[in-house]
Amino acid sequence: EDQVTQSPEALRLQEGESSSLNCSYTVSGLRGLFWYRQDPGKGPEFLFTLYSAGEEKEKERLKATLTKKESFLHITAPKPEDSATYLCAVRDHNNNDMRFGAGTRLTVKP
Amino acid sequence: ETGVTQSPTHLIKTRGQQVTLRCSSQSGHNTVSWYQQALGQGPQFIFQYYREEENGRGNFPPRFSGLQFPNYSSELNVNALELDDSALYLCASSSGGQGRTGELFFGEGSRLTVL
Repeated sequence: EDQVTQSPEALRLQEGESSSLNCSYTVSGLRGLFWYRQDPGKGPEFLFTLYSAGEEKEKERLKATLTKKESFLHITAPKPEDSATYLCAVRDHNNNDMRFGAGTRLTVKP
Repeated sequence: ETGVTQSPTHLIKTRGQQVTLRCSSQSGHNTVSWYQQALGQGPQFIFQYYREEENGRGNFPPRFSGLQFPNYSSELNVNALELDDSALYLCASSSGGQGRTGELFFGEGSRLTVL
């Protein structure tokens, strides 16, 4: 069964203090690994899809990387508006569902 | 291009009642998935509809049922509500079919409270 574990559960940073969020996964055959951002009381907002080990994608202050066992979401010089819960999810070739982790709740203080 | 829209945004029901949640998919998308998100947890897959047929189901009892209409909009029905059904219900649309990359685009959710 596909499994996704995110760490840490919560992360508090000062504005400008770079850090990384981790997503460890097990899947029978990876179709894609997805990162989402979710603000309180809102639906998840799509950020990135990664398909194979070694792939990297960037968007503003965010950079996602992928290995065969985990993905990292690197946040460079974060701003308070980056505060949100970041969700990681995987999809395999055998199922139609997307398996989510519990998320990392990021707070960036000014 | 309109995104995924869900209704109602909030509702309160009592145990044993029935509820229907509605979702309009993003323009051009023919697949709708429903997820349940409890507080502090990641979304959990309920089921998916592709071209009006159920196309996968998670570990939810039969009192959770759904429909997809010819315009690809969808409904989630929950019978005999239990207190544990209190959650944010998320609808997501995507372009289905073989070879698709599978990104899901979510609506803002329907917050259900069962008393």
